[in-house]
Amino acid sequence: GAVVSQHPSWVICKSGTSVKIECRSLDFQATTMFWYRQFPKQSLMLMATSNEGSKATYEQGVEKDKFLINHASLTLSTLTVTSAHPEDSSFYICSAAQTGPYEQYFGPGTRLTVT
Amino acid sequence: GENVEQHPSTLSVQEGDSAVIKCTYSDSASNYFPWYKQELGKGPQLIIDIRSNVGEKKDQRIAVTLNKTAKHFSLHITETQPEDSAVYFCAASKGSGGYQKVTFGTGTKLQVIP
Repeated sequence: GAVVSQHPSWVICKSGTSVKIECRSLDFQATTMFWYRQFPKQSLMLMATSNEGSKATYEQGVEKDKFLINHASLTLSTLTVTSAHPEDSSFYICSAAQTGPYEQYFGPGTRLTVT
Repeated sequence: GENVEQHPSTLSVQEGDSAVIKCTYSDSASNYFPWYKQELGKGPQLIIDIRSNVGEKKDQRIAVTLNKTAKHFSLHITETQPEDSAVYFCAASKGSGGYQKVTFGTGTKLQVIP
C-alpha cells in the first residue's frame, strides 16, 4: 500500500514553454501533498504544501506564479512550471500524506530538462 | 525554523559490517523522525521512523535511536549488503493532522563494498 506515482518520469522542453507534472496517490486519499526540488547530490528542498481544495502554501523564495500547484482531488496534485528556463532543470519529487498518520510517501520523481 | 544536520556525508563499509549515520535537530518541538533511502534517479523511500515517545525502534537489520534531551537520532544498519548502497536522508517533523512539514538532513552516501 501507500503508492505514489508521478507522470511523466522525465520530460525535455524548450525554454519559454510550460510543463505540467502529475502526482497521484494510488491506494489512499492524500489530504496533503508536498512538492520538492532536488539538485544533483543535494538534499530535498520543499517548494510548497497543498491541501485538497485549498491554495498551496509556498516556501520562502519559491515563485508562486512560476510554480503553479493545484490539488483538485484527494488523489491528484499537479505542478506546472510556467515559462520554463534552463535554471528550472531539476528533479521534482512529490509526496503525499494522510490525515493523522505522520508518514509521507514519495513519488519516483520527475526529471525536467529545459533546453 | 528546524535545522537538521547529518553526518557523515559519505560512508564506506565492508559487506557484513555495520553502518551508523547520525543526525541532530534544532527544534525541540519536533516529534517525528523518519529515515529515507534514495537510490539513484528515484524518489526517497521510507525505511524506518520513530516518534518522540519512543527511544529505539528496530526492523530486521535496521534500527533507529532517539535522544530527545540531546536532540539527536541515529540510524544503524547491521550486516550490510551491497543493495544497501544508496543515499540516506534523516528528517524531522512536527505537527499533527494533515500537515506535517518535513525538514531533511543533507544526506549520507553509503557504499557497501563486496
